[in-house]
Amino acid sequence: DSGVTQTPKHLITATGQRVTLRCSPRSGDLSVYWYQQSLDQGLQFLIQYYNGEERAKGNILERFSAQQFPDLHSELNLSSLELGDSALYFCASTPGGSSYNEQFFGPGTRLTVL
Amino acid sequence: AQSVAQPEDQVNVAEGNPLTVKCTYSVSGNPYLFWYVQYPNRGLQFLLKYITGDNLVKGSYGFEAEFNKSQTSFHLKKPSALVSDSALYFCAVRENYGGSQGNLIFGKGTKLSVKP
Repeated sequence: DSGVTQTPKHLITATGQRVTLRCSPRSGDLSVYWYQQSLDQGLQFLIQYYNGEERAKGNILERFSAQQFPDLHSELNLSSLELGDSALYFCASTPGGSSYNEQFFGPGTRLTVL
Repeated sequence: AQSVAQPEDQVNVAEGNPLTVKCTYSVSGNPYLFWYVQYPNRGLQFLLKYITGDNLVKGSYGFEAEFNKSQTSFHLKKPSALVSDSALYFCAVRENYGGSQGNLIFGKGTKLSVKP
């Protein structure tokens, strides 16, 4: 158990809908990263937050957005969903202040768009 | 731009034999390299990392990796494979943002299959 929690585990929805994925980092970790894992694209970085502020952006679509709250949990919002958004979405966390730390991954949310 | 390549989609080994999962990298500056393992329907688990220092890095579950700067490689190894090592292995390099924490750039993964 990495100490990173993600809810829900599974999400099934229809095209055009909007969903919110939630991540709670390990206790004390200030950085949260979101990744998407799909069969055709592999594991891709979406976005990073550090202590409530956006730190870096990767291949995140404009239909997707995220935020990190004062209690450090993070939410990833996916809107106008398309079939191609079906994937595993992981969040990961690291402590603040060092660039050498490994990231600890949550168990993921499996999103299925029908 | 940073990148990693895992040239093998799948590696098959017999239990008890040594295993190697290959990874090569391309970075500007010093590489920060990682190996993760993913079991079915699970998140990624950290195995080991290279930041600086000894070229042979020891990690979890008996795994080790050899950093080779001249060959830009970071191959994952284990002297004696177990059936329970069967999983998907990812090599990753940390995105270089000039000192601040960065996201990971992953290879496409190598499926390791260990047969009894």
